[in-house]
Amino acid sequence: NAGVTQTPKFRILKIGQSMTLQCTQDMNHNYMYWYRQDPGMGLKLIYYSVGAGITDKGEVPNGYNVSRSTTEDFPLRLELAAPSQTSVYFCASSYSMSYSYGYTFGSGTRLTVV
Amino acid sequence: RKEVEQDPGPFNVPEGATVAFNCTYSNSASQSFFWYRQDCRKEPKLLMSVYSSGNEDGRFTAQLNRASQYISLLIRDSKLSDSATYLCVVNIDRGSTLGRLYFGRGTQLTVWP
Repeated sequence: NAGVTQTPKFRILKIGQSMTLQCTQDMNHNYMYWYRQDPGMGLKLIYYSVGAGITDKGEVPNGYNVSRSTTEDFPLRLELAAPSQTSVYFCASSYSMSYSYGYTFGSGTRLTVV
Repeated sequence: RKEVEQDPGPFNVPEGATVAFNCTYSNSASQSFFWYRQDCRKEPKLLMSVYSSGNEDGRFTAQLNRASQYISLLIRDSKLSDSATYLCVVNIDRGSTLGRLYFGRGTQLTVWP
C-alpha cells in the first residue's frame, strides 16, 4: 500500500518557469490537500479538494492552481515561479472530515526557485 | 494572532527524562486536536489525537484544557528515537464544507545519550 506519492522529490526552477507537482493516493480518500512549509514555520494550506471535480482555495493560494479529475490524483500547478515559492510542498489525504484518522502525508517536494 | 502557538524550543534532554510541550489555540470553535511528529526533512505523521478527558499512548500523554484553550504533550522515559519536531494541530470548523486544520510551528526535541 503506497499511501500518498509525490513527485518529484526535488526541483530547481528558474524565475518565471512553470511546473506541476504530482500527487496520487491509493487509499480511496475523498479529501486531498496541498500544503507548503517554509523553514521554521507551520504548514500553510494552499488548496484542497473534497472530491473529484471539487477544489477550493486555502490560506495561501496565490501563484498556484489545482485540478482534481480523479479521486486518486491532485496535481499542483505553479505558474511563473517566484523566489517566494521556494519551500517544501506536502500533499495529504484524509478519509474523514472528523479528522480522527488524521492526515496521510506524502514525502514532500523540495522546490527552489532561483 | 496565530491560530496555534507553540514554544519552538529547542528542548535538549537526556535519555530517560520526562519532557512536556505546551500549545495554545486562539479559536474557541476549535473542535479536534492532534499532535503530529515530524522528523528532519520528512513528512509529518500523526502521533496521537487529543481527547477532552486526556489520553495516553505508551510513554505519551496528551491533555486538553478547553477553558484555557491549552493542549499539552508529555513524553516519559525519553528515547533517542523521540528526537523530532512535534507539531500541535487544531481543527477549526467555520461552518464551511471543510473544517480547517491549523498547524503550529512545531517544538524541536533532541534527546541525547
